[in-house]
Amino acid sequence: GAVVSQHPSRVICKSGTSVKIECRSLDFQATTMFWYRQFPKQSLMLMATSNEGSKATYEQGVEKDKFLINHASLTLSTLTVTSAHPEDSSFYICSARAKDTQYFGPGTRLTVL
Amino acid sequence: GESVGLHLPTLSVQEGDNSIINCAYSNSASDYFIWYKQESGKGPQFIIDIRSNMDKRQGQRVTVLLNKTVKHLSLQIAATQPGDSAVYFCAVGNDYKLSFGAGTTVTVRA
Repeated sequence: GAVVSQHPSRVICKSGTSVKIECRSLDFQATTMFWYRQFPKQSLMLMATSNEGSKATYEQGVEKDKFLINHASLTLSTLTVTSAHPEDSSFYICSARAKDTQYFGPGTRLTVL
Repeated sequence: GESVGLHLPTLSVQEGDNSIINCAYSNSASDYFIWYKQESGKGPQFIIDIRSNMDKRQGQRVTVLLNKTVKHLSLQIAATQPGDSAVYFCAVGNDYKLSFGAGTTVTVRA
């Protein structure tokens, strides 16, 4: 139980384009999901908390207009990186709350050329 | 806020020996602590958690110890196996927000 999936697992895009990443809780409902990014050999940095049916809460320094989060259902949250630039290249990981803990998805490797 | 630090960035351990990974945190109000394992190119995998009303919790081959007095958390892995090679993160916070440590890379020697 408590399986979280992400799609796509890898994406390469051109600078200036937008990319959408999906996060799904497969066997449970999640009112709260989280989005993290991770640079090589570094820890996870929380970007935002996604609440079903309401606006996401962004961490300090994270541009909400650049990283659009939508949590339209209890099993799906999406992160859209708008007008992507090479510095947005990173490993994006989502997690979902289940049974009082956070379970993580497998991550999405974004490369912006 | 919460600041989470690790004592050692790397740990090399002989197969079959026990491993101990340490973590220190700053916020005494933190009440939830989790250890995750992350293999290269994958998302973090839940290992074990503990709440502030406990000081020890055991799982399969793993034990988490919590010392709230000195704000210290440790993960013990018994009889370390090659499959235990990974980066281990401690996460500290509460039900609503977690802060992650920098990670300890564990390498198991055959």
